[in-house]
Amino acid sequence: DQQVKQNSPSLSVQEGRISILNCDYTNSMFDYFLWYKKYPAEGPTFLISISSIKDKNEDGRFTVFLNKSAKHLSLHIVPSQPGDSAVYFCAASEVGNTPLVFGKGTRLSVIA
Amino acid sequence: DVKVTQSSRYLVKRTGEKVFLECVQDMDHENMFWYRQDPGLGLRLIYFSYDVKMKEKGDIPEGYSVSREKKERFSLILESASTNQTSMYLCASSPLMSSGPYNEQFFGPGTRLTVL
Repeated sequence: DQQVKQNSPSLSVQEGRISILNCDYTNSMFDYFLWYKKYPAEGPTFLISISSIKDKNEDGRFTVFLNKSAKHLSLHIVPSQPGDSAVYFCAASEVGNTPLVFGKGTRLSVIA
Repeated sequence: DVKVTQSSRYLVKRTGEKVFLECVQDMDHENMFWYRQDPGLGLRLIYFSYDVKMKEKGDIPEGYSVSREKKERFSLILESASTNQTSMYLCASSPLMSSGPYNEQFFGPGTRLTVL
């Protein structure tokens, strides 16, 4: 059973507008959440993370929001740029030295 | 900068061949991971290792084995390649406990394997 779900396989947004990527999880033991960005033919690169003790973390144009009661997190990109077009993976981990659990990814297309 | 390298970017093998995918990291990380990425299925964990000579099964270990004889090197082995193992294979590493983003994994560029 999927513990991390990204229910939108794809998202298309106009340049300059906000992109919102969503992620839901089922495991209440998850303590740390990360977003990765992946371009074709490259490995994923770390984008931004949030600990379960916070509800928001911001880094430039990227903001991640965490709603623990709803077991939901979202990544906001403002303003969206064509170079943001990529597949975005949501990932989560429990406390301790455990592997990340990844969602299936959302392909973002930012149209100029 | 952390660097994770994979021995090949593209590989073509025939059904039944034994295939070795090599991964090397240069940051003295304890943890190393092998994933495969397929369209619509995301990143699926095959095997991981917390230390030299240690290995743990991930979500889809069937048809694969691994070897970790040195801390910096983690090999994925397909004993007898099959067409359903055609995929993008990604290696990653992470420190045991990091002072920065907790459990952040660093990925290599991937190997696109095609089994004919």
